[in-house]
Amino acid sequence: AQSVTQPDIHITVSEGASLELRCNYSYGATPYLFWYVQSPGQGLQLLLKYFSGDTLVQGIKGFEAEFKRSQSSFNLRKPSVHWSDAAEYFCAVGRNQGGKLIFGQGTELSVKP
Amino acid sequence: DAGVIQSPRHEVTEMGQEVTLRCKPISGHDYLFWYRQTMMRGLELLIYFNNNVPIDDSGMPEDRFSAKMPNASFSTLKIQPSEPRDSAVYFCASSLSGRGYEQYFGPGTRLTVT
Repeated sequence: AQSVTQPDIHITVSEGASLELRCNYSYGATPYLFWYVQSPGQGLQLLLKYFSGDTLVQGIKGFEAEFKRSQSSFNLRKPSVHWSDAAEYFCAVGRNQGGKLIFGQGTELSVKP
Repeated sequence: DAGVIQSPRHEVTEMGQEVTLRCKPISGHDYLFWYRQTMMRGLELLIYFNNNVPIDDSGMPEDRFSAKMPNASFSTLKIQPSEPRDSAVYFCASSLSGRGYEQYFGPGTRLTVT
């Protein structure tokens, strides 16, 4: 069965430090991959997506993610974190599931001043 | 585009009352999803529609929950009777087939059942 794992429930980084959030998936074929961000009291906002082609994708707010087929991973990165990046981040996978996406459990990011 | 619109944004009701949550998807989108989010269970898919037809309602917790999509621009999620354990944030999302199924979420309805 298809699944998404975000191993880190909560991460704390210092402002200005680099960030990497992990996402591993289990899927029978090359999936479509997504990262969403949810700020407190808000809905989920799409950060970036991978469908095909270049395995390094750029998103909004200075985020990027790299698809690594051999590792079944799609980790999210940012070179320098800002206090406003504190939020919950969700990885999701889909393609041939009748339109449905499978979401990970989320990683909560805290940013220290 | 206005994005996905949900109403109300906040709802406080007493146990046993009927609650109706509303959603207007992005114009032209053919998929609509209802999710529930709680601290304990995270983000759960309740039901989704394609071209106004329910495709998968296996996530609906019990018969007290029902959802309809009478037309392409409107959907409701109803809870009758409501219980305190239904307290959660309910999200509606929509997507367009052929665009990779990326979903666009509404701001959510925060439901509190006392």
